[in-house]
Amino acid sequence: AQTVTQSQPEMSVQEAETVTLSCTYDTSESDYYLFWYKQPPSRQMILVIRQEAYKQQNATENRFSVNFQKAAKSFSLKISDSQLGDAAMYFCAYRIQGGSEKLVFGKGTKLTVNP
Amino acid sequence: DAGVIQSPRHEVTEMGQEVTLRCKPISGHDYLFWYRQTMMRGLELLIYFNNNVPIDDSGMPEDRFSAKMPNASFSTLKIQPSEPRDSAVYFCASTPSTPSWGTQYFGPGTRLTVL
Repeated sequence: AQTVTQSQPEMSVQEAETVTLSCTYDTSESDYYLFWYKQPPSRQMILVIRQEAYKQQNATENRFSVNFQKAAKSFSLKISDSQLGDAAMYFCAYRIQGGSEKLVFGKGTKLTVNP
Repeated sequence: DAGVIQSPRHEVTEMGQEVTLRCKPISGHDYLFWYRQTMMRGLELLIYFNNNVPIDDSGMPEDRFSAKMPNASFSTLKIQPSEPRDSAVYFCASTPSTPSWGTQYFGPGTRLTVL
C-alpha cells in the first residue's frame, strides 16, 4: 500500500527566511502525482503546489517550490521569503495516475512563522 | 465559481442523535470525496463517488455512517446514531475527471461535536 511520511511534526521559521518541509512516500508505481496542501487555522485545505512524477523539472509557484527526487521517493517543499500568512499545517499527498482518484495524505507538519 | 459548499459549518449534538452533513461540489466535477480529520488519525478518506455512484466506501468506519449522492450537485453524509468518538471535522472535496491530475478542491469543513 502507498504511504506518505512527513517526519517533521512541527517546524518554525523566521519571517523572510526560507524553510523546507520534508515528505517521503512509498510506492511501486512509476506514474503518479504529488501534492502539497496548506491548512491554515481557518481549516480550509488549499492546494499549494502539484508535481507530476514524469516531469523532471521541479514545480514552482511563486515563493513555493519543490525538490522532487523520484529515485529517493522524496518530495520536499521549500518556502522562500516566509510570511506570517504561511503559518499553517502542511500536508503532502500522493495519487496514482490512471488509477483510483484517492489521495493518500501524510500526517502533516505544523509550520510556525516568527515575526 | 463558489467552490465546494458544506453545511452546516458547525454542529453540536447529543449522543444518539442523527446528524446529516451536506455538500455541494463544484459544478462540472464528477468526483466527490468525504473525509474525516481528527488529531489522532489525521485526514481519513471515508467514501468517494464518481458520477453519483459510490466507488469506494472502505473508509466508512461502521454501519452508523452512510453517504448518498442523489444528483451531481448534492451529497449527504449521515451518522445515526452519533457517538462522542465521531467528533471531528468532516470535509467534502471534489475533482473533475479531466484534466486527470486529480487536484481535489476542498470545502470549508463541518466541525461536529457529539456530547
